[in-house]
Amino acid sequence: EAQVTQNPRYLITVTGKKLTVTCSQNMNHEYMSWYRQDPGLGLRQIYYSMNVEVTDKGDVPEGYKVSRKEKRNFPLILESPSPNQTSLYFCASSLLPGTSGEQYFGPGTRLTVT
Amino acid sequence: GIQVEQSPPDLILQEGANSTLRCNFSDSVNNLQWFHQNPWGQLINLFYIPSGTKQNGRLSATTVATERYSLLYISSSQTTDSGVYFCAVGYGQNFVFGPGTRLSVLP
Repeated sequence: EAQVTQNPRYLITVTGKKLTVTCSQNMNHEYMSWYRQDPGLGLRQIYYSMNVEVTDKGDVPEGYKVSRKEKRNFPLILESPSPNQTSLYFCASSLLPGTSGEQYFGPGTRLTVT
Repeated sequence: GIQVEQSPPDLILQEGANSTLRCNFSDSVNNLQWFHQNPWGQLINLFYIPSGTKQNGRLSATTVATERYSLLYISSSQTTDSGVYFCAVGYGQNFVFGPGTRLSVLP
């Protein structure tokens, strides 16, 4: 089944403890991206990747890192999480290089930082 | 940057009623999609519709790219249609979401 998967789906952690949220797609998609969703602020793009080894900042990149070593994987890294990074996170992918193609979203990861 | 607006912000319907949701955007876009976010938070793809008209069961959508708007029609609404509906547009390398329309369908 063609899909975007994220792990973990739920995570509660403490301030400063490094964590990684994994994202994987099995559709051989070029474009991958990360979003966070917050009440009153909507969904905002954190980082995106046009292809392997090509990443760029979205609207809210501070406090996050990403890497794209393989086409199928695009992990989101929080080196030192803080409570303001408590949010619902989505990963997405698209066949075309950029945003012209249909975007497919993962199921989301609920992160709580205490 | 681009501005994406959705109206109405909130909508309450009786089961069986029809509704139209609107998405306006301030610049030319290379993509437009409609999503439904269910009560569990999942984003469900409804339509990929950069232009033209599509239908899927009780739902249909129309995008008039030259006039920078898109419409989502829901007919014979059901309680399971409740949730938040988002439009999102591809603008350069960014995918930008509107603020959403919260739909409540009452039995």
